[in-house]
Amino acid sequence: AQSVTQLGSHVSVSEGALVLLRCNYSSSVPPYLFWYVQYPNQGLQLLLKYTTGATLVKGINGFEAEFKKSETSFHLTKPSAHMSDAAEYFCAVSVSTGFQKLVFGTGTRLLVSP
Amino acid sequence: DADVTQTPRNRITKTGKRIMLECSQTKGHDRMYWYRQDPGLGLRLIYYSFDVKDINKGEISDGYSVSRQAQAKFSLSLESAIPNQTALYFCATSEAGQAQGNQPQHFGDGTRLSIL
Repeated sequence: AQSVTQLGSHVSVSEGALVLLRCNYSSSVPPYLFWYVQYPNQGLQLLLKYTTGATLVKGINGFEAEFKKSETSFHLTKPSAHMSDAAEYFCAVSVSTGFQKLVFGTGTRLLVSP
Repeated sequence: DADVTQTPRNRITKTGKRIMLECSQTKGHDRMYWYRQDPGLGLRLIYYSFDVKDINKGEISDGYSVSRQAQAKFSLSLESAIPNQTALYFCATSEAGQAQGNQPQHFGDGTRLSIL
């Protein structure tokens, strides 16, 4: 079975600082990996996804993530945080057998201070 | 207009009441999903539907039922609401991709349900 672990329920950064949100997955078959963002009172919005091919994936709003099979990780980064990045971020994994069941991590709330 | 619309956005009800949450989509996707979100637990799958004739239980289906009235509509019912069903509920849709797992899901804005 697939699972996702997000380290840190809260991450605080200053505006302009590097953002690093950690995600480790467990899967017995090659995974598809996703990062979603949730702003207050809104649903989840896709930031980026890894399916196959290039392991460095670029998403919206300047975010990117790197798939590292040897480390079973898919950490999300952004070089310079903006106040508007404050939100909750979810990592999710699915596999290609059967239907698309997304398994979500428990989320990381990003706080950005001036 | 939103691609995935959930109604109502907020609902307060009493223990034992029957309640229905509705979801409609204009994306033309075959697959639809219902999740609940609880603080610290992420999102958990309640039910999912491949198409109008195919409905399946997710990991936490007890106490819930669903109806897929049309390709565009997928409703979630709580037959007899209880306080621990207080949560944020999300509907999502996805395309049927060639590789089953690589299609992203598209979410509505959620329904905040409180059961007293």
